[in-house]
Amino acid sequence: DTEVTQTPKHLVMGMTNKKSLKCEQHMGHRAMYWYKQKAKKPPELMFVYSYEKLSINESVPSRFSPECPNSSLLNLHLHALQPEDSALYLCASSQEPYGQGDEQYFGPGTRLTVT
Amino acid sequence: AQKVTQAQTEISVVEKEDVTLDCVYETRDTTYYLFWYKQPPSGELVFLIRRNSFDEQNEISGRYSWNFQKSTSSFNFTITASQVVDSAVYFCALSEAGRGSTLGRLYFGRGTQLTVWP
Repeated sequence: DTEVTQTPKHLVMGMTNKKSLKCEQHMGHRAMYWYKQKAKKPPELMFVYSYEKLSINESVPSRFSPECPNSSLLNLHLHALQPEDSALYLCASSQEPYGQGDEQYFGPGTRLTVT
Repeated sequence: AQKVTQAQTEISVVEKEDVTLDCVYETRDTTYYLFWYKQPPSGELVFLIRRNSFDEQNEISGRYSWNFQKSTSSFNFTITASQVVDSAVYFCALSEAGRGSTLGRLYFGRGTQLTVWP
């Protein structure tokens, strides 16, 4: 089973709202990732968690706050977003804690619209 | 500098045609990994293949084949007898494992939109 699940599939939020994106995997993977993807662009890495610890933060604005409650779950808390944050947010996981050469398995994504 | 270059932005073919998607990469590491992902309109990136830098053997999986050539830093992907369901954006990606590399980071190319017409 190589499934990564993400909820919700779609989210519309105002600039003053607070919302959370959720990601779950049950493959025993020790690395989890958040990506942001704008239309017709490749995914851009935002955060990497290895062994439930934040190992990479790609200078993401503080209005995005990641959380890894346990090895299977990854959340992305959103607050005071801007319209330009509208995008597809993808979660991924890989076997090794530092993802060294391992393929990443992606979830279906959350399509976020900020109004 | 772009580590992965996919020069073909869009390709259109008619069903049953063969099509090759090009990927050129750049790295100074001797140990690295190359990947292809498919992204259909639904949005999910689907892993297709992983290759490490020490394994230049070409691979075939059904209608899909991959040609890895270190001499030209290329990792091209061929779909034989294309089908409408192959329509998607295809991304080539690189992961480096050398000293000083950002482990776990995938460098994506800009993707190639493949459209297969019936």
